[in-house]
Amino acid sequence: DQQVKQNSPSLSVQEGRISILNCDYTNSMFDYFLWYKKYPAEGPTFLISISSIKDKNEDGRFTVFLNKSAKHLSLHIVPSQPGDSAVYFCAASDAKLIFGTGTRLQVFP
Amino acid sequence: SAVISQKPSRDICQRGTSLTIQCQVDSQVTMMFWYRQQPGQSLTLIATANQGSEATYESGFVIDKFPISRPNLTFSTLTVSNMSPEDSSIYLCSVRGSDGANYGYTFGSGTRLTVV
Repeated sequence: DQQVKQNSPSLSVQEGRISILNCDYTNSMFDYFLWYKKYPAEGPTFLISISSIKDKNEDGRFTVFLNKSAKHLSLHIVPSQPGDSAVYFCAASDAKLIFGTGTRLQVFP
Repeated sequence: SAVISQKPSRDICQRGTSLTIQCQVDSQVTMMFWYRQQPGQSLTLIATANQGSEATYESGFVIDKFPISRPNLTFSTLTVSNMSPEDSSIYLCSVRGSDGANYGYTFGSGTRLTVV
């Protein structure tokens, strides 16, 4: 039972353009959603989060949108940079953190 | 946010043996978590390590295979017992700040385990 899903295993975007990573969840009790970035051989690095009572949170180039009725959230990265190339995980919290399956983002020049 | 020191960073072990992974946090934290990331997979929660009580295991994980200690609010260990090649994964500890803020989930750098 995968409570948090990222249906796109990979995404390729040109430098300077927008990257949109999507995430769906099934448990309506999740009260906080987070995005993490992970490089090989490193632990996940926190990027941005959003409370379930909000629909948007912005931090620099990163914006997370939450649509509770659709149980869907997305991460927008604008403008995308080659250094953004990594695996991105969404995660949802209801006292413990449940991770999605990950999306590998590649930003090319 | 908390700073986590996790060791060893990697190890190659013989099947049938056990490995203990240590997680040290630079501040007192209420909740500590152990995750596993199998090759090409997502992070899966193994258990929640509670100070002063037994760990709480997720479905599919048992104490005999993954015993956990939590002797105080800054330290925890995960042992992978009687290892087989299927246990080859990255194991990560994570902490949640005692202030209860959900964004306070911080991860260690992970232990890359290869079982041969």
